[in-house]
Amino acid sequence: DQQVKQNSPSLSVQEGRISILNCDYTNSMFDYFLWYKKYPAEGPTFLISISSIKDKNEDGRFTVFLNKSAKHLSLHIVPSQPGDSAVYFCAASAIASSNTGKLIFGQGTTLQVKP
Amino acid sequence: KAGVTQTPRYLIKTRGQQVTLSCSPISGHRSVSWYQQTPGQGLQFLFEYFSETQRNKGNFPGRFSGRQFSNSRSEMNVSTLELGDSALYLCASSSGGGAATEAFFGQGTRLTVV
Repeated sequence: DQQVKQNSPSLSVQEGRISILNCDYTNSMFDYFLWYKKYPAEGPTFLISISSIKDKNEDGRFTVFLNKSAKHLSLHIVPSQPGDSAVYFCAASAIASSNTGKLIFGQGTTLQVKP
Repeated sequence: KAGVTQTPRYLIKTRGQQVTLSCSPISGHRSVSWYQQTPGQGLQFLFEYFSETQRNKGNFPGRFSGRQFSNSRSEMNVSTLELGDSALYLCASSSGGGAATEAFFGQGTRLTVV
């Protein structure tokens, strides 16, 4: 049972444009969400997170939006740069149920930013 | 501040053998989690240790085990290796403690079982 889903395996955008990566979840107990970026042969790098008490969190070019009623979150990258090309993972955690250290990951979306 | 260090980076083992992987978390972090990444299954949670105690466990067979030492360093052991255990094993550290904090990952250990 895939509790966190990233339905788009890949996304290609032009440099300077907006990249929108989507993530859906099924478990209503999830209350903390994170986005990670991963290059080949490296571990995932933390990008941005959001608590379920918020609907938006912004950090530089990265903004995460959370729609709890739809169980949907998205990562916006504006403007996209070629160096953003990587695999992006959405992850969720149920902090309130003492699952602090347990992250459930989506399958990842490969983003390609073309110069 | 040094990041999460995993050793070794690469490992080749024969089916039936056992293997031990090591993870040194970021200084001051007390939570260490382990994940398995395979092309077909993505990143899957193995277990998490906090202050030397296993706090969470994923859906993996008992061949997968771990421990954490008093300095927060953690080891993961896989016994009776199977071909399907070939994967990238990732360790993540966080401050833990029940608060929502991000986890920082090491570069992983690439295990190949032949």
